[in-house]
Order: sequence, then structure tokens, then C-alpha cells
Amino acid sequence: AQSVAQPEDQVNVAEGNPLTVKCTYSVSGNPYLFWYVQYPNRGLQFLLKYITGDNLVKGSYGFEAEFNKSQTSFHLKKPSALVSDSALYFCAVRDENNDMRFGAGTRLTVKP
Amino acid sequence: NAGVTQTPKFRILKIGQSMTLQCAQDMNHNYMYWYRQDPGMGLKLIYYSVGAGITDKGEVPNGYNVSRSTTEDFPLRLELAAPSQTSVYFCASSAFSNQPQHFGDGTRLSIL
Repeated sequence: AQSVAQPEDQVNVAEGNPLTVKCTYSVSGNPYLFWYVQYPNRGLQFLLKYITGDNLVKGSYGFEAEFNKSQTSFHLKKPSALVSDSALYFCAVRDENNDMRFGAGTRLTVKP
Repeated sequence: NAGVTQTPKFRILKIGQSMTLQCAQDMNHNYMYWYRQDPGMGLKLIYYSVGAGITDKGEVPNGYNVSRSTTEDFPLRLELAAPSQTSVYFCASSAFSNQPQHFGDGTRLSIL
């Protein structure tokens, strides 16, 4: 069965510094990978996805993610963090059977 | 542009009571989903539907029921509320299974 892991519960960065939120996956077949963001008392919002094609995927709000098949990773990145990026981030994977799995989430805090 | 609408936003139930969580989407999406979100656990899929009249169990279906009589609506029913069902419930929809999901803002349910 497929699974997704977010090894860090919490990531702290200073405003203006680059940020990385890590995600690794295990899936049979070709993965469909997603990143979502959740602000307090709101539902998840889609940031970006990888289905096929270029390994570097660009998404909303200046975020990007790099698909690495050999390391089975899909880390979320942003070159310069903003305080407003502080939120809960979820990685998700869908396999060829259309089963979707979400990671446990990583809380990103960007300090001024 | 409403997207996915969930009602109610908050509810407190007594053990053994029943209730229906409502979910409606106005994007004509085929796929609809119900998740529960517990702290530090990410999202767990309860039930999903691939179209009107078709529903299937997800990862944690016990204690819940669903129906999908129209494309727009996908209510979730709790028949005998238990404290373990205290959670935040999210409804989501997508056009196709490999497309991003659109989430409602959630229903916060406490069972005492």
C-alpha cells in the first residue's frame, strides 16, 4: 500500500531565508504527488502537483517542489520565506488505484 | 464562487445521538470525499464517491454512512455518536481522481 511521510513535525525559518518542507513517499507504479497548505480554521488549499514531466514543479505563492524518483522524495521549497507562509503543510500521494494518502503535516513557522 | 460548502461549522453532540454533516459543491465535480482530521494524524479518508449513486469506503468508514443522490450533495451520517468521533470533518471534491481536491472549511464536532 502506498504511504507518505513528512519527517518533520515543525520547521522554523527566518523571513527572507529559503525554506524546505520534506516529503517522502512509497507507492506502487507511477505516483501522483500533491502539496496542500492549511491556514487556521480553514480547509486545505492546493499548492502544486506532480503527475509527469519536469521534475521541478512550480505552484502557487512562489512555492515549488522537486520530484526525485531515486530518493522517492517530493520536497516543497521556496527561495525566500514570508511570515504569511506560516501554516500547516500536507504532502499527499495518489497511486494508480486512485487511493489517496496524506502525510501527518508539517507546521511551518516563519519568524520576522 | 462558493466551491465546497459544509454545514454546520460547529456542533456538540451527546454520546448516542445522531446527526448529518452536510456538504455541497457547485463545480459539477464527479468525485467527492469525506475526511476526518485529528491532531498530528493528517487526514483520514472516511468515504468517497465517484458520481451520483456510487459510494465506497475509505480508510476509516466504521460508524459513518454516506449517500450521493445528486452530483452536488454528499452528506455524511453519524448514527450513534461516540467520543472517538470527536474530530474536524472535511468534505472535498475534484473533477477527476488525479486532479487537485477542493476542500470545504470543515465541521468541528465534539461528542461528550
